[in-house]
Order: sequence, then C-alpha cells, then structure tokens
Amino acid sequence: DTGVSQNPRHKITKRGQNVTFRCDPISEHNRLYWYRQTLGQGPEFLTYFQNEAQLEKSRLLSDRFSAERPKGSFSTLEIQRTEQGDSAMYLCASSASWSYNEQFFGPGTRLTVL
Amino acid sequence: AQSVTQPDIHITVSEGASLELRCNYSYGATPYLFWYVQSPGQGLQLLLKYFSGDTLVQGIKGFEAEFKRSQSSFNLRKPSVHWSDAAEYFCAVGAKEYGNKLVFGAGTILRVKS
Repeated sequence: DTGVSQNPRHKITKRGQNVTFRCDPISEHNRLYWYRQTLGQGPEFLTYFQNEAQLEKSRLLSDRFSAERPKGSFSTLEIQRTEQGDSAMYLCASSASWSYNEQFFGPGTRLTVL
Repeated sequence: AQSVTQPDIHITVSEGASLELRCNYSYGATPYLFWYVQSPGQGLQLLLKYFSGDTLVQGIKGFEAEFKRSQSSFNLRKPSVHWSDAAEYFCAVGAKEYGNKLVFGAGTILRVKS
C-alpha cells in the first residue's frame, strides 16, 4: 500500500482557467475527503464521499468547484474560472468507515493562480 | 459550532528539552481527537489519536497526548525533543454527529534550537 497519492503536486495557472486535481486513496478505504489549506492556517473541509456518493459539501465549496468519485475509487476536484483567492494547498484524505474516522492524507496539490 | 484552538502560533525549544503543545476544543458531541504533523510543502502525518478509553495515548516518534474532558483539552507532549521534530503541528477534532469531517486548529510551528 503506497498511501494516498495526489496529482499534480504543483499547478500554476492564469486567472480564469479551469484546473483539475486527482486523488487516489488507500485502496481499501471507502471514504475520501478534500480539504483546502491556506498559508498559516489549518486545513478546512471542502467535501467528502462515501464510496461514490458525495455526502457533504462545505459552504466554502462555491459553484465553481465540483468534485466527483465516479467508481468509488479515485476522485477529481475541478475548479472552473479560477481566481487568485483559490491559491492554496488542496489536500486529499481517505479513511475506512469502520476506523473511527482516522484520516490519512496525501502530499497535497499546491495551486498558484496568477 | 465546532472549533479547535491552538493558542501558541510558534514555540521554540532547545534540543533535548521537553515539549508541550496545547489544544482546546469546543464540540457538542463526544469527540475523536487527533494530532498531525506537517513538514514544509508536505501533507499531514498522523501522530496519534484518541477515540475512547485510556486518556493518555501514545503515538509515533515518542509523542504522547492526554485527553482531559473537564478542560476540553488534548495537549501533545514529548519528553525530549530532537532537531528533526521541527515542523508544524495540528490538532484536529471529529465526530460522527458532525459528518465525519475533521475540524483543525490553526497549527503551532515548532522550532528546535541546538
């Protein structure tokens, strides 16, 4: 088991462009989470999936953000019409529903919007 | 609303000295409590967790934490700090009643001086 992986690790884009990030969770984990972390802050919850169902979305997740987990395995997070305020580290985590919500994090994708 | 407070933004300790990082939470349910560590530009690594039972929990890298329900605290301790412990430390709280997401504190940056 190689842990949670995220791609790309870094993304630089111009304002107004669309970007997509991918997360591959630990294989036996049925829950997958997205968080956003800005400089000097702790991670903030964005959304989570149990299997392929998106069960909760934060108010931080504007309509420019969409997340999918089509087959209950990997997930994608898309940001449309990026803004400079979207610059942050996007973290993915996974857990097993029988594990008291012990979440394991990936290395993150650092997004810079110019 | 759920919240986590880490009162110390920065802490500096000498190598070999003891360490205590503070964490207080406000939560309307029986919490699950976690400490994570993050090195610059990296994801979060789970140090230790508390779900129930013995209120003193042991983690990796020689860390321990004590859950005190009466004080709503979950402080992280280490008896002898190593230079490699320099990183940012996050306390996090979760509960089934709040949809399994984690709420993080703002973090404490640990500096170790030789």
